[in-house]
Amino acid sequence: GQNIDQPTEMTATEGAIVQINCTYQTSGFNGLFWYQQHAGEAPTFLSYNVLDGLEEKGRFSSFLSRSKGYSYLLLKELQMKDSASYLCAVRGFSGGYNKLIFGAGTRLAVHP
Amino acid sequence: DTAVSQTPKYLVTQMGNDKSIKCEQNLGHDTMYWYKQDSKKFLKIMFSYNNKELIINETVPNRFSPKSPDKAHLNLHINSLELGDSAVYFCASSQEGRSSYNEQFFGPGTRLTVL
Repeated sequence: GQNIDQPTEMTATEGAIVQINCTYQTSGFNGLFWYQQHAGEAPTFLSYNVLDGLEEKGRFSSFLSRSKGYSYLLLKELQMKDSASYLCAVRGFSGGYNKLIFGAGTRLAVHP
Repeated sequence: DTAVSQTPKYLVTQMGNDKSIKCEQNLGHDTMYWYKQDSKKFLKIMFSYNNKELIINETVPNRFSPKSPDKAHLNLHINSLELGDSAVYFCASSQEGRSSYNEQFFGPGTRLTVL
């Protein structure tokens, strides 16, 4: 089966660092994505990991451990505009084609 | 300028009606998708087309019929709408094989409310 777990909600303070975890079990693995979704808006791409290790992109970093089925998204120097849902998505194969399976998302609230 | 566009943005209709949602992408991508995001915010794949050919068809009632007239357009027609169809429907596109990312670009969504 396919299963992606991430915390439902998190809160953090402006200027702080927050880590959002994601664990997954999928049949076939071809990369893990993190998307950001503000309320009432479309998901937007944040990061992609296919090999183990850390990918850094400005204030955002994402880590992957394929053997543990685990990823995290690290947000540094939090800003109020970072309040959003963060979706972990695993790309697997289905009938010879790639398919994204999304987790339910983690709703992050950043307060002053 | 909009990369992936959808119409309409909001759709309110009565149970039993038939409605269509349209999607267009100007990114030159070869693959397009329809997703459903329910009230619990789960984003779930419904269909995917690659170069106008249906490649992914999840367990979706056959009241839902996608149609891709060309690789820049993917429409979704829904017959006999039910209360449970109320959700936000997102269209997305990607270019398979061009880069290792192949990230999907999402449209703004269509919020469907069935009364």
